[in-house]
Amino acid sequence: EAGVTQFPSHSVIEKGQTVTLRCDPISGHDNLYWYRRVMGKEIKFLLHFVKESKQDESGMPNNRFLAERTGGTYSTLKVQPAELEDSGVYFCASSQASVADTQYFGPGTRLTVL
Amino acid sequence: KQEVTQIPAALSVPEGENLVLNCSFTDSAIYNLQWFRQDPGKGLTSLLLIQSSQREQTSGRLNASLDKSSGRSTLYIAASQPGDSATYLCAAPSSNYKLTFGKGTLLTVNP
Repeated sequence: EAGVTQFPSHSVIEKGQTVTLRCDPISGHDNLYWYRRVMGKEIKFLLHFVKESKQDESGMPNNRFLAERTGGTYSTLKVQPAELEDSGVYFCASSQASVADTQYFGPGTRLTVL
Repeated sequence: KQEVTQIPAALSVPEGENLVLNCSFTDSAIYNLQWFRQDPGKGLTSLLLIQSSQREQTSGRLNASLDKSSGRSTLYIAASQPGDSATYLCAAPSSNYKLTFGKGTLLTVNP
């Protein structure tokens, strides 16, 4: 069974540009989460999808971040326009159930904004 | 608001030693607690998940305990090996799904 996959693994862009990160969850997992780790800080929650619906986006930093999950399968996280403080590692996770279930994480996308 | 603290921040031990990593959390109304391992430049690998109704969970040389009343969890690693070197993270849900992470413990096992 394939795990959570993320693309790209690394992205280097200039301030003001747009970047789109993609996450493919484990097949059959209705719950999909995005987290972020910025340098020197702990991993923090960004948002949670159940199928195609956003359940909680309380962790999204601002309106420059837009997450979508069309058809309840893969998800994209777009940053537009990117700022220096957006640099970090963006993790995606998925779980079968939302309550009391193991979240399986992808390898992350390392985003560097110059 | 859930806060998770991990002690120590870094630990260096000789191969073969048994060791304990500590995790504390402020909100004891949790469904579970999850321990992860992260290797440099890699994603998070789930090691153990302890449900709130459990006190211990074991997988191979790893044993995790959970004491909700005191807001503590420990990860015990028996007979440590150089391959165990990694950052270990614990995470507790601040609601039933949002994980709140500690900053992690960087473990180095020296041959």
